[in-house]
Amino acid sequence: NAGVTQTPKFRILKIGQSMTLQCTQDMNHNYMYWYRQDPGMGLKLIYYSVGAGITDKGEVPNGYNVSRSTTEDFPLRLELAAPSQTSVYFCATLPGLGWETQYFGPGTRLLVL
Amino acid sequence: DAKTTQPNSMESNEEEPVHLPCNHSTISGTDYIHWYRQLPSQGPEYVIHGLTSNVNNRMASLAIAEDRKSSTLILHRATLRDAAVYYCILRDYQGAQKLVFGQGTRLTINP
Repeated sequence: NAGVTQTPKFRILKIGQSMTLQCTQDMNHNYMYWYRQDPGMGLKLIYYSVGAGITDKGEVPNGYNVSRSTTEDFPLRLELAAPSQTSVYFCATLPGLGWETQYFGPGTRLLVL
Repeated sequence: DAKTTQPNSMESNEEEPVHLPCNHSTISGTDYIHWYRQLPSQGPEYVIHGLTSNVNNRMASLAIAEDRKSSTLILHRATLRDAAVYYCILRDYQGAQKLVFGQGTRLTINP
């Protein structure tokens, strides 16, 4: 049982490039979340999903897109990378409504130059 | 989302108790108080949560004020592995179950 896995661990992008951050979970959790964490700051919610086929914006969605075609996968897409998107990205899951604990992945460190 | 206020940093010694305070004066009746911690270079992990009564688990204790406007996370015997950023978060169990993170308290443990 791997829990929440994120790939890649680290990536350097040039301005204007695009990439997809992968998040996969094997716990059959319905809810999934993408957060970003800038240096010295707390996490901010980018997008979330309450089940396959359902996604919604969080606090800082601009510059990102998501999809949720399966329960297991919740990829985050950056279309035109900008230096302001340099951050650590965390994916998290929650079993469902009323559950207490969100489970976080190990994070993807992204540097945009 | 209701806001929490925590000290930016705290320091303690190994094997001593640590009391991490959190103020949440605008808490609503349906908000649960959650604590997460983030070890260096890792994602956050759940520590404890409560609504009105004090709570204990294997990691920590949570003391909640009678008016619920403040709470304290208690680590009974801190170890070096407890050095982390601790986040106090108010969570409503309706809707998207989102967590709203503040800046947290960076806890340093001295050997």
